[in-house]
Amino acid sequence: EDQVTQSPEALRLQEGESSSLNCSYTVSGLRGLFWYRQDPGKGPEFLFTLYSAGEEKEKERLKATLTKKESFLHITAPKPEDSATYLCAVRTSSNTGKLIFGQGTTLQVKP
Amino acid sequence: NAGVTQTPKFQVLKTGQSMTLQCAQDMNHNSMYWYRQDPGMGLRLIYYSASEGTTDKGEVPNGYNVSRLNKREFSLRLESAAPSQTSVYFCASSDGNGEQFFGPGTRLTVL
Repeated sequence: EDQVTQSPEALRLQEGESSSLNCSYTVSGLRGLFWYRQDPGKGPEFLFTLYSAGEEKEKERLKATLTKKESFLHITAPKPEDSATYLCAVRTSSNTGKLIFGQGTTLQVKP
Repeated sequence: NAGVTQTPKFQVLKTGQSMTLQCAQDMNHNSMYWYRQDPGMGLRLIYYSASEGTTDKGEVPNGYNVSRLNKREFSLRLESAAPSQTSVYFCASSDGNGEQFFGPGTRLTVL
């Protein structure tokens, strides 16, 4: 069964304290791994898509990386405005039209 | 471009009442999706439509029906609401191969 697990569930950082969020997956065949950001009371907002092991994408203080079993979302010198829930999702070869989501990591960055 | 729009934003129903959640997208996407999001459960797919004229069940379809009215619009109907359907509902669209774009959500409470 295709599965996506995110850790930790919640993360508290001080402003400027870098860290990483993890998304591990067990799927029949990966056809894309997606990262989203979700602010309270809003819909998820697309951040990155990664397709193959070794691929990296960057946007401001965020960098997403992919291996054959997991993806990391690295946050460098975070600011309070980076506080949000970060969702990971995968598209698989057995369900190419759909995404399977992890539970999310809620990040709080304190000034 | 408005992206993905949903109506209503909030709704309170009594057990047994019916209602329809509306979703529209202006990105000319073929695929549209309905999710529900509950604390600790992540995003779960209710129904999706790969193209105009087709619909398929997702992970949690019981108690719901959908209509793909045209390429732009995809509605979700609760025929007889139950307290277990209290949730936040998100509509999304995609071109089928890429990322999904989400609406702002409908917060539904069933008493």
